[in-house]
Formats: sequence, structure tokens, C-alpha cells
Amino acid sequence: AQSVSQHNHHVILSEAASLELGCNYSYGGTVNLFWYVQYPGQHLQLLLKYFSGDPLVKGIKGFEAEFIKSKFSFNLRKPSVQWSDTAEYFCAVNPNSGTYKYIFGTGTRLKVLA
Amino acid sequence: GAGVSQTPSNKVTEKGKYVELRCDPISGHTALYWYRQSLGQGPEFLIYFQGTGAADDSGLPNDRFFAVRPEGSVSTLKIQRTERGDSAVYLCASSGGSDEQFFGPGTRLTVL
Repeated sequence: AQSVSQHNHHVILSEAASLELGCNYSYGGTVNLFWYVQYPGQHLQLLLKYFSGDPLVKGIKGFEAEFIKSKFSFNLRKPSVQWSDTAEYFCAVNPNSGTYKYIFGTGTRLKVLA
Repeated sequence: GAGVSQTPSNKVTEKGKYVELRCDPISGHTALYWYRQSLGQGPEFLIYFQGTGAADDSGLPNDRFFAVRPEGSVSTLKIQRTERGDSAVYLCASSGGSDEQFFGPGTRLTVL
């Protein structure tokens, strides 16, 4: 079955530290990839997406992600986190096979200490 | 409206009761999705509508769950004979064909 793995369930960082959140998926075909963020008390919002082209994609608020096809990975990075980045982050995959549903990972809860 | 809206925001019901959850998608979006998010988990796909028809209902857990979208806009997720295991946040999303889904705030369902 298709699945998405996020290895870090809880991450605690100090402000200005660098962030990398892992995301791996199991699907052999073409995929669309997403990172969503959920700030406390708010709904899911899109951070960035990859459909095709340059595997390094840049999103909002200084986030970026790199698609490595050979590793089935789409890791999220930010060079210097801020207290306001405290949120839960979800990786999602849309297998580009005619179905439009997203398959989500279990999420990573990030806490940034001021 | 500007975004996807869902009502109610919270619903508390008793085991065995029937509930309806409503989703208003972004105006003009033809695709609508329902997901369920249990505590500590990511959203789990339930059903996808393209227009009025359910194009993929493979995620509905059993026949107690049903969803409709009679006019191709508002959708209602219906759960019969609720069970405690149905407690979760039910998310709705809509899409205008760009493969990007826009999510609503969710309905938190608690079954006592």
C-alpha cells in the first residue's frame, strides 16, 4: 500500500537553528508532493509543492524542500527557524495515477524556543 | 467566501446517534474532498467528489459513512449509528483543478 513516512514526530529547536524534516514515500510512479503546515488553532495551509521540474522548490516563509527521486524523499528545510514556526508539519503525496487523493504522513510537531 | 468553511466547528453526540457535517468549498471549485484526522495522525482520505458525483469513495471506512454533493457545491458527510471510534476531526478540502487542495478548519466530532 502507498504510504508516507515522517520520521521525526517531535522536534524542539532554539531560534536561529536550522531545520530539516524528513519525508519518505512508497510509490514507484510519478508523484506530486506537498508540505502543509498547521499553526496552533489554525487550519492546514500549503507551504510548498512539487509537481515537476527543478527538484529544489521554495515555499513561503523561507522554507524549501528537495525532491530526491532515487531516495523517494521530499525533505523540508529552513536555514534559520523562528519562534513563529512552531506548528505541526505534514508531508503529503498525490500519486499521479488518476486519483486525486492525498496520502499524508503522521506529521511532525515542531516547537521553537525563543 | 474566501476559503473553505465547515459547520459545525464542534459536534458532541452520543453513541448510536446520526450526525451530519457540512462543507462549503471555495466558490467555483469543482473538486471536493473529505478527510478524517485522528489524534496524533495525519489526515486520512475518505471520499472525493468531482462535481456532483463521488469519483473515489475508497476511503470510507464502512457503510455507516455516506457523503453527498447534490448541486456540485456544498457537501454533507453523514455518519449513522456513531461509534466512539468515529471521534476525530473531519476535514474538507476543495480544488480548482491545479492539484492543490485548500483545506477548511475542520469539524471536531466527539462521540460519547
